[in-house]
Amino acid sequence: DAKTTQPPSMDCAEGRAANLPCNHSTISGNEYVYWYRQIHSQGPQYIIHGLKNNETNEMASLIITEDRKSSTLILPHATLRDTAVYYCINGNKLVFGAGTILRVKS
Amino acid sequence: NAGVTQTPKFQVLKTGQSMTLQCAQDMNHEYMSWYRQDPGMGLRLIHYSVGAGITDQGEVPNGYNVSRSTTEDFPLRLLSAAPSQTSVYFCASSYSRTVNTEAFFGQGTRLTVV
Repeated sequence: DAKTTQPPSMDCAEGRAANLPCNHSTISGNEYVYWYRQIHSQGPQYIIHGLKNNETNEMASLIITEDRKSSTLILPHATLRDTAVYYCINGNKLVFGAGTILRVKS
Repeated sequence: NAGVTQTPKFQVLKTGQSMTLQCAQDMNHEYMSWYRQDPGMGLRLIHYSVGAGITDQGEVPNGYNVSRSTTEDFPLRLLSAAPSQTSVYFCASSYSRTVNTEAFFGQGTRLTVV
């Protein structure tokens, strides 16, 4: 399975947009990009997924570059409750990496 | 819908004991999987199943057995518990491994082997 690369941690001010990058340079043409998050050792929670078009739902937006080698998850107005580990995953075989620890600070 | 239900939530075992971690889903999902998560690390795939009667190994299968006799249930068996199996175990389900939909996770079973 293709591997993704994410920064180990990021900080974001409460109320500001959180932009979480992911590099997936070896993604296959038909593999979707998925984002999940895990809040304080709870079970991971699905956020969003996309193939090549930008996607938006009630939780977040997903921006995928035209060459599909990278993507950015955007939480438009981060709150303290968004503090979590965010995982970017190629395809639907759910192979998890280390993820990005996002700390939202007041 | 209850989603994905894992039992028990907590368990302490002695080395050498066996036990079964239960996972049930009520969404008629074909694909189910088991992960373990050690402190400060990501989730690692133990076993998975693409449908009733079909199971396969993931990244870290040693010391664990699974079976899938029904669509709803996917139990994970520890044959002879070892301290290295102390971890948090998560069960997940999704509609299909080949259809691009979201996966649902249980709340985890926290296992300590002493």
